[in-house]
Amino acid sequence: EAGVVQSPRYKIIEKKQPVAFWCNPISGHNTLYWYLQNLGQGPELLIRYENEEAVDDSQLPKDRFSAERLKGVDSTLKIQPAELGDSAVYLCASSSGLANTGELFFGEGSRLTVL
Amino acid sequence: DAKTTQPPSMDCAEGRAANLPCNHSTISGNEYVYWYRQIHSQGPQYIIHGLKNNETNEMASLIITEDRKSSTLILPHATLRDTAVYYCIVSGTYKYIFGTGTRLKVLA
Repeated sequence: EAGVVQSPRYKIIEKKQPVAFWCNPISGHNTLYWYLQNLGQGPELLIRYENEEAVDDSQLPKDRFSAERLKGVDSTLKIQPAELGDSAVYLCASSSGLANTGELFFGEGSRLTVL
Repeated sequence: DAKTTQPPSMDCAEGRAANLPCNHSTISGNEYVYWYRQIHSQGPQYIIHGLKNNETNEMASLIITEDRKSSTLILPHATLRDTAVYYCIVSGTYKYIFGTGTRLKVLA
């Protein structure tokens, strides 16, 4: 069974440019998460989807960040325009959505460098 | 969701048991304790979780105190490949809040 797939693995852009990250969750997983991880820190939740609905986006900086999960499968996270402080690893995770089963499956992440 | 406290770093000799502590004194009755680990340049990996009883799987054992205010993750025979950051998370919902974790270094 394929795991969570993210792309691109690495991205280098100049500030003020747009960037997009793509995530394909494990087949059948209804719940999808986007996390941001700064160097030396734990992952921080940006947004959680249940199917195509964003049920928790309270930590998403909506002035420059946007996300979508059309058809409740793949998801895209966009930053426009990017700032120097956005340099981080963006992690996608999925789960079956059953409460307290505990297991989030993470992708390898997309490392963003903003110059 | 309750917050957790973990030591920032620990060392363990290869082949010995690694015991990683976690304090969660404000845990509520419906909240589970989860452990994840993150090996360098990879996404976090689920290890184990529990509510009240001790749990064991092929990766580790989880010991939860009777008052549930603390827990210990045990890697029974640590190998060099267990070198990673270990996160203890308490959650009763779908929201999983990661702290800074414990950086475990297994020494040859």
